[in-house]
Amino acid sequence: AQKVTQAQTEISVVEKEDVTLDCVYETRDTTYYLFWYKQPPSGELVFLIRRNSFDEQNEISGRYSWNFQKSTSSFNFTITASQVVDSAVYFCALSDANTGNQFYFGTGTSLTVIP
Amino acid sequence: EADIYQTPRYLVIGTGKKITLECSQTMGHDKMYWYQQDPGMELHLIHYSYGVNSTEKGDLSSESTVSRIRTEHFPLTLESARPSHTSQYLCASRGRLNSPLHFGNGTRLTVT
Repeated sequence: AQKVTQAQTEISVVEKEDVTLDCVYETRDTTYYLFWYKQPPSGELVFLIRRNSFDEQNEISGRYSWNFQKSTSSFNFTITASQVVDSAVYFCALSDANTGNQFYFGTGTSLTVIP
Repeated sequence: EADIYQTPRYLVIGTGKKITLECSQTMGHDKMYWYQQDPGMELHLIHYSYGVNSTEKGDLSSESTVSRIRTEHFPLTLESARPSHTSQYLCASRGRLNSPLHFGNGTRLTVT
């Protein structure tokens, strides 16, 4: 069965600190996709990144970076030099190739960046 | 990028009323979804559709119903609203297999 675990419920950091949000997933499929979404206080979910199971290269986009490790079934998200605007709830999600119509979301990590 | 619209953005309604939450997308996506979410909490899938005239119930039992008569439109209806329905309702759509979900801005429903 597919499952996504975000063990960190809430994290607080001081502005300019780096922070890593953990995501661990379970799936029996060899082909799958992982996603991160950001949900700011306004409520909408904003897509950040998609990664497929065959691409283990880490990705960097500005202050954001993602570390995908199949050996530990993890897809962690790091924000460098955090800013107040990064305060949001972040969701990790899994979609497998066989039943690709379904998304499996983690329970989310609430990040507060203190000025 | 998908454009997906939800109305109303906020709704306060009394117990027992019938309400319909609207969701429309302009990208021709076949797959559409409704999620229920208490603020900042996990998302619960309540309904989904893989195309016109196709609707399925999701993981979370819901007293709502949906319809999919047109590709672009996926409304959700509560026949008799109750305070337990107070929540945020998020509509999403998806194009090709394994593409990201694109979400609307959500409807925050309060039932008094």
